[in-house]
Amino acid sequence: AQKVTQAQTEISVVEKEDVTLDCVYETRDTTYYLFWYKQPPSGELVFLIRRNSFDEQNEISGRYSWNFQKSTSSFNFTITASQVVDSAVYFCAHALSNDYKLSFGAGTTVTVRA
Amino acid sequence: DGGITQSPKYLFRKEGQNVTLSCEQNLNHDAMYWYRQDPGQGLRLIYYSQIVNDFQKGDIAEGYSVSREKKESFPLTVTSAQKNPTAFYLCASRPHLRTEAFFGQGTRLTVV
Repeated sequence: AQKVTQAQTEISVVEKEDVTLDCVYETRDTTYYLFWYKQPPSGELVFLIRRNSFDEQNEISGRYSWNFQKSTSSFNFTITASQVVDSAVYFCAHALSNDYKLSFGAGTTVTVRA
Repeated sequence: DGGITQSPKYLFRKEGQNVTLSCEQNLNHDAMYWYRQDPGQGLRLIYYSQIVNDFQKGDIAEGYSVSREKKESFPLTVTSAQKNPTAFYLCASRPHLRTEAFFGQGTRLTVV
């Protein structure tokens, strides 16, 4: 069975600070997908990024960046120069290639103070 | 506008009553999912459907039922057999040959 661990329950930062969210996963499969979703106070989950297990390239999108390391089974997410609008719950998730069912971590609540 | 619509946003029911949560999508997505979210926990999969007239149980299907008679609709019924139904319910859909799912705005169910 797949397991996703987000050890950080809550993170509070002051605006413009960088914040890194940790995600560690467990899987026996060689082909899988990893995701990050953002859940603002409105409740809807917003898709941020997907990585394939065979593509370890890091990715940057604006102030967001992701670091995928198969050797440590980690898929960490960094927000650079955080803003108040980044305040949300962030979920890391895992899916297999045969059914794409998402297994979620418990989420990390990020609070950015002005 | 295309999207996933869940209704209602808030729902209150008395204990022992069945209740049906609506999920409609006009994105022409093949797969649809129901997740449950409890405070401080991640989302857990209740049921999912890859195609019309077919669905499978997820990790916590007991006390729930679904149907998939139309591609765009995937209603979830919370039955009286569900021991702790108060939660936030999220519906999602996924297009064919894509891996990421897209979510509706959720329904917050409170059973009193």
